[in-house]
Amino acid sequence: DVKVTQSSRYLVKRTGEKVFLECVQDMDHENMFWYRQDPGLGLRLIYFSYDVKMKEKGDIPEGYSVSREKKERFSLILESASTNQTSMYLCASSPPGGSNYGYTFGSGTRLTVV
Amino acid sequence: QKEVEQNSGPLSVPEGAIASLNCTYSDRVSQSFFWYRQYSGKSPELIMSIYSNGDKEDGRFTAQLNRASQYISLLIRDSKLSDSATYLCAVNWNYGQNFVFGPGTRLSVLP
Repeated sequence: DVKVTQSSRYLVKRTGEKVFLECVQDMDHENMFWYRQDPGLGLRLIYFSYDVKMKEKGDIPEGYSVSREKKERFSLILESASTNQTSMYLCASSPPGGSNYGYTFGSGTRLTVV
Repeated sequence: QKEVEQNSGPLSVPEGAIASLNCTYSDRVSQSFFWYRQYSGKSPELIMSIYSNGDKEDGRFTAQLNRASQYISLLIRDSKLSDSATYLCAVNWNYGQNFVFGPGTRLSVLP
């Protein structure tokens, strides 16, 4: 069964900490995405990547960065965590031509910044 | 700013009834449309996609697309208790690789 795996299901971090969220997919997908999901706001795109070492800003990249050193792994980095980054973070992947296939999502990481 | 809108609900229907979920989008230059189901505390899972005007059926689910009205819908026939979830529509624009999601409609199927 194909999978997108996020390393942590729940995470609690302190304000100002540098936070790494990891995502690994085993489907050999080119495209990978990071979204955050908040009540009433839906899913918002933070960053995405079409290929290794490539990244594109989404709608809300401020305060975040990403890394994609290997095809199967896409990391989201919160440079200095703040309380307004408390959210559910969802990683997703899709093959090229992803607009025809949709996404496969990971199980999500619920991050709380205190 | 491209937008996708949905009624947040909750939409309540009795078990066995038809549930109708609606979504509108803001830009005519759109390619593909998807419906996802998300159970509470879980990640979204793909239900079905639609690309052409008209209806597309998959089991108890029917997706409808009307490009002229910039409107998509999802009909769930013979609703089951297990259909209770939040339903997200997603729209892809300009053959890009990413989608814009609506905020979701919460469906509650009542026994």
